[in-house]
Amino acid sequence: KAGVTQTPRYLIKTRGQQVTLSCSPISGHRSVSWYQQTPGQGLQFLFEYFSETQRNKGNFPGRFSGRQFSNSRSEMNVSTLELGDSALYLCASSLVEADTQYFGPGTRLTVL
Amino acid sequence: AQKVTQAQTEISVVEKEDVTLDCVYETRDTTYYLFWYKQPPSGELVFLIRRNSFDEQNEISGRYSWNFQKSTSSFNFTITASQVVDSAVYFCALSEAKGGGNKLTFGTGTQLKVEL
Repeated sequence: KAGVTQTPRYLIKTRGQQVTLSCSPISGHRSVSWYQQTPGQGLQFLFEYFSETQRNKGNFPGRFSGRQFSNSRSEMNVSTLELGDSALYLCASSLVEADTQYFGPGTRLTVL
Repeated sequence: AQKVTQAQTEISVVEKEDVTLDCVYETRDTTYYLFWYKQPPSGELVFLIRRNSFDEQNEISGRYSWNFQKSTSSFNFTITASQVVDSAVYFCALSEAKGGGNKLTFGTGTQLKVEL
């Protein structure tokens, strides 16, 4: 089975722009979660989607949003980018709730 | 609130040495799940093990072993006869059954360097 895929792998944006990141889960997995990793804050949970519904949300401003499609693919969007949004964004998928999450390779976002 | 503490920021060992990575967690939930992930320089988090709160059995997988002790809220990870390929950052994580169990809280990670 193919693993979790994320596109693009690298992105460079400027402050004020918006960005959309994409995640394709492992085939058959219905839950997709997003995490942000920075040197200062470590790995932090952004949100989780299950069957197209947001089930959990972390402590991030409303500029961070996401959605899940009927085929379980997910996108996350960050509007009005700030320098502090530079990070590795990791997507993870699991078969069902309370299950092991498998991570993708991440998207490295740099905001200039 | 849930919390995971990995007090060891960096550990350096010589190849073939045994090394133990510590993990202490806090949770008020009675049902929870503990994980270890490995993050090599490429950045992808690689799943190593999952433990349910009601299963305190220790586990061994090749050179890896895990010691789960609810009495001390610890879930330590030991690598026996370490190899250079074990060099990576290792994360301990916790999720609670409340809220669906898919929100992982990570520790700050332990950077393991294995040298020849």
